Amino acid sequence: GENVEQHPSTLSVQEGDSAVIKCTYSDSASNYFPWYKQELGKRPQLIIDIRSNVGEKKDQRIAVTLNKTAKHFSLHITETQPEDSAVYFCAASRGDDKIIFGKGTRLHILP
Amino acid sequence: DTEVTQTPKHLVMGMTNKKSLKCEQHMGHRAMYWYKQKAKKPPELMFVYSYEKLSINESVPSRFSPECPNSSLLNLHLHALQPEDSALYLCASSQGHGEAFFGQGTRLTVV
Repeated sequence: GENVEQHPSTLSVQEGDSAVIKCTYSDSASNYFPWYKQELGKRPQLIIDIRSNVGEKKDQRIAVTLNKTAKHFSLHITETQPEDSAVYFCAASRGDDKIIFGKGTRLHILP
Repeated sequence: DTEVTQTPKHLVMGMTNKKSLKCEQHMGHRAMYWYKQKAKKPPELMFVYSYEKLSINESVPSRFSPECPNSSLLNLHLHALQPEDSALYLCASSQGHGEAFFGQGTRLTVV
């Protein structure tokens, strides 16, 4: 069945360094890949997304890359700041109603 | 209005109680979702309504009963819940292209 694997489950980086979170998906029909950030006690918030006709997308310090052949997509955060500490979820969808989430990555930004 | 609004924010109920969770969106989105989220886990899809019709039921126990009175409203009726049903219940809406915008959630405790 459809599956999204996400690594690592926990990531600690020094403030100012970069963070990379990686996901793989199993359903070759997936064509939409959103990333959500969830701070403690709050809702998941869509921070960036990418569609399968694009290889890379950037929004300020956040970028997402997609390798359709390998079924890999990654989130890159540069110049990390304390407010980047949160749980990040990748997800995959066929562009319809069903969204499959990865298990999440807890990102700690160290002072 | 870019918000998905859920009420109540917190709910404590006994195993014999009947209660309802409410969700409202005014973004004109055609799809609305109920997710359940346990601590340190990703959101788990329960139900999807598309154009006010139930399109996905992820084999959810009948003690959870969804209702979509109109395109802006989504309810989740709860009856005879178990302590293990305690979780954060998230409502989301989408235009149906794969993205989802989440409400703040209802933190439910079953005693």
